[in-house]
Amino acid sequence: GNSVTQMEGPVTLSEEAFLTINCTYTATGYPSLFWYVQYPGEGLQLLLKATKADDKGSNKGFEATYRKETTSFHLEKGSVQVSDSAVYFCALRMDSSYKLIFGSGTRLLVRP
Amino acid sequence: EAGVTQSPTHLIKTRGQQATLRCSPISGHTSVYWYQQALGLGLQFLLWYDEGEERNRGNFPPRFSGRQFPNYSSELNVNALELEDSALYLCASSLVGPQHFGDGTRLSIL
Repeated sequence: GNSVTQMEGPVTLSEEAFLTINCTYTATGYPSLFWYVQYPGEGLQLLLKATKADDKGSNKGFEATYRKETTSFHLEKGSVQVSDSAVYFCALRMDSSYKLIFGSGTRLLVRP
Repeated sequence: EAGVTQSPTHLIKTRGQQATLRCSPISGHTSVYWYQQALGLGLQFLLWYDEGEERNRGNFPPRFSGRQFPNYSSELNVNALELEDSALYLCASSLVGPQHFGDGTRLSIL
């Protein structure tokens, strides 16, 4: 079946450090890929998306590139801030079903 | 533009009771999705409604049910509550593009 695998957290970084959160997927077909972020006590916010191979999604300094050859969609940011501390979820969606399939989430903690 | 709104924010029930959770989608969105975020189980798809019809259902027992009203708002009903139903229930809406989420209803079963 379709699935998403994310790196285990928590990831702890100092402010201004480089961030990578790994995400790989398994899918029969060509999914759309998403990153969502969840701040404490809140729902999920869409961070960025990519709908086809080689697309790059970007938002608020975060980037991820849809890599079909490695079935990956790694999230990166060049310089993290304390306010980026949250849980990040990678997800895929097959257009045939429309439901989102999520990874287990990666908690990011950024220290001043 | 108002986002997805869910009510109540918190709900406390006892085993065997019934719970009703409500969701209002973003204006113009016709699809509503329900997800369960239980501790240790991650985010699991529950139900998808579009244009008043149930389109897809996740791997949950029939005591989880819902409906979508003509104004596209939605209810999730959980009957015969069990302790493991304690979770954050998230509603999302979309038209054609990505799903946008509300802040959820935290359901606690005592």
